[in-house]
Order: sequence, then structure tokens, then C-alpha cells
Amino acid sequence: NAGVTQTPKFRILKIGQSMTLQCAQDMNHNYMYWYRQDPGMGLKLIYYSVGAGITDKGEVPNGYNVSRSTTEDFPLRLELAAPSQTSVYFCASSYDTWPGNQPQHFGDGTRLSIL
Amino acid sequence: QQQVKQSPQSLIVQKGGISIINCAYENTAFDYFPWYQQFPGKGPALLIAIRPDVSEKKEGRFTISFNKSAKQFSLHIMDSQPGDSATYFCAARLNRDDKIIFGKGTRLHILP
Repeated sequence: NAGVTQTPKFRILKIGQSMTLQCAQDMNHNYMYWYRQDPGMGLKLIYYSVGAGITDKGEVPNGYNVSRSTTEDFPLRLELAAPSQTSVYFCASSYDTWPGNQPQHFGDGTRLSIL
Repeated sequence: QQQVKQSPQSLIVQKGGISIINCAYENTAFDYFPWYQQFPGKGPALLIAIRPDVSEKKEGRFTISFNKSAKQFSLHIMDSQPGDSATYFCAARLNRDDKIIFGKGTRLHILP
């Protein structure tokens, strides 16, 4: 069982470039999440999905887009990279959040630098 | 209203000592309070969690104390070990919501 797999692990982008951060889970979880982690700031929710074809905004969605065409995959798209998007990005998944209180399983992150 | 305030930002404890991390919240609609442990280069992993109808939960050396009236909860790590050195996040989930709000984290260092 691989759990939550994120690719790439590291990436450097130039301002204005675009890229897609990949996230895949093999646990048949219906809930998936994208967070960004900035030093000393904890984790901020960017987007989340409660199932294939359903996505919703989190706290900090501006500058990002997501899609959920399958249960397994939840890619995060940056269209016009900006220095403020330099961060570590984490994808997470869970079977359900209510009422089972299922924990979120996190990937190991993608470290992204925008120069 | 949806914030979870965590303190201290960093903590140094001698091996064998007790590590204590505190969190506070305002929104009474929070109904689930997990703690996550994160090692460098890794994603956060669930450590222990509690619901507000319980005042204390213990799993091994890790204990959550929950004070509903004060809207505070804390993580105690007994007999702290160097392997416990990590960043710890408290979190809270809104009632029947799909989102979890994280504290800003505490970087814990256990001296050998």
C-alpha cells in the first residue's frame, strides 16, 4: 500500500510559469485535500474534494485550480506562478470525516520554489 | 472564530521530562480535536485525537487534556524521548464540516 503519493518532490519554477502537482491515493478514500505549509504558519487548506467530480474552495484558493475526475487522483494546478506561492504543498486523503472521525493521511509533500 | 491558537512556538525539554503543548479555540462548533506529528521532510501524521465530550484521552506516553469550559486543550508527552523531536500541530474540525483548522505548530526538541 503506497498511501498518498505526491509528485514531484521538489520543483523550481519561474514567475509566470504553470505546473501541476500530482496527488494519488490507493486507499479508496473519497475525501481529498490540498494544503500549503509556510514556515511558522501551520497548514492552510487550498481546495478539497468529497468525491469524484466534486471540489470546493478552502481558506486560500486564489491562484490555484483543482479537478477530481477519479477517486484516486486530485491534481493541483498553478496557472501563473507567483513568488507568494513558494511553499511546501501537502495532499491528504481520508475515508470520511463524519461521523467516523477518520484521520487524514498525508503525502510527503512537494517543495515548490518560485523565482 | 475559526482559529486555533497554539503555544509555544518552540519547546526544548530534557530527555525523560514532560512536554506540554497548549491550544485554544473560540468556536464552540468545533467537535473533533486531533493532534498531528510531523518529522522533517514528511507529511503530518495523526498522533491522537479527542472529542469534546471527553476530558482526557491517553495513548501510551501521549495524553490529551480537554477543558471544554475554557475552550482549551493540551498535549502532554510523558517521559519525552529524542525520537519525539518533531513539529506538533493541534487542529479542530467544525461540526459536520469537511475541513480541519490547524494551529501554527510547535517545534519540539528533546535533549539527549
